[in-house]
Amino acid sequence: GAGVSQSPSNKVTEKGKDVELRCDPISGHTALYWYRQSLGQGLEFLIYFQGNSAPDKSGLPSDRFSAERTGGSVSTLTIQRTQQEDSAVYLCASSLGWRGSSGANVLTFGAGSRLTVL
Amino acid sequence: AQRVTQPEKLLSVFKGAPVELKCNYSYSGSPELFWYVQYSRQRLQLLLRHISRESIKGFTADLNKGETSFHLKKPFAQEEDSAMYYCALRGYAGTYKYIFGTGTRLKVLA
Repeated sequence: GAGVSQSPSNKVTEKGKDVELRCDPISGHTALYWYRQSLGQGLEFLIYFQGNSAPDKSGLPSDRFSAERTGGSVSTLTIQRTQQEDSAVYLCASSLGWRGSSGANVLTFGAGSRLTVL
Repeated sequence: AQRVTQPEKLLSVFKGAPVELKCNYSYSGSPELFWYVQYSRQRLQLLLRHISRESIKGFTADLNKGETSFHLKKPFAQEEDSAMYYCALRGYAGTYKYIFGTGTRLKVLA
């Protein structure tokens, strides 16, 4: 597609429920990042996918959080047993990756998925 | 460890005044540094990156390796510059992690 697409744009859920957030990156972008944006916390790194390499999961805050990227394209971030502190905007971004070309490392962001846990 | 620090959460300046948004980083190698901006109701987008040494919308940023800083500057602020600004660092720490500071909200007053 022309840009990074994220769905749903808004999600309200009850504490304890599982949620799935989807990211469809720009076609051909090998790098994909998930961030959490909350007031006063800036952009908190969650996970990074690069091509077929093992993902960098070092930013995932707990084992309730997981993500996968199928076929090197679409990615799903799953939060199990949601808690109120999970409420935030979840941003996905993609880039061409480490192919050495100028601009390869510029991130294109999606509009985000706003998660509210009641 | 990689770290990006933006000490100011909010910066208010009058239209026409100079503006400087501070960014300091911690990284042992040669980083790639960026400024991203988020205008109201818009997506986060690239403003500029240090390797390009360019001026975008009148903004410039110089990488100072001695002071480990990448401050964003504009000589004359405009009302349309009001936005949230994030400094970002891409560096290698096992993988090419891309981390952001906590952001500075710039308000340009008429």
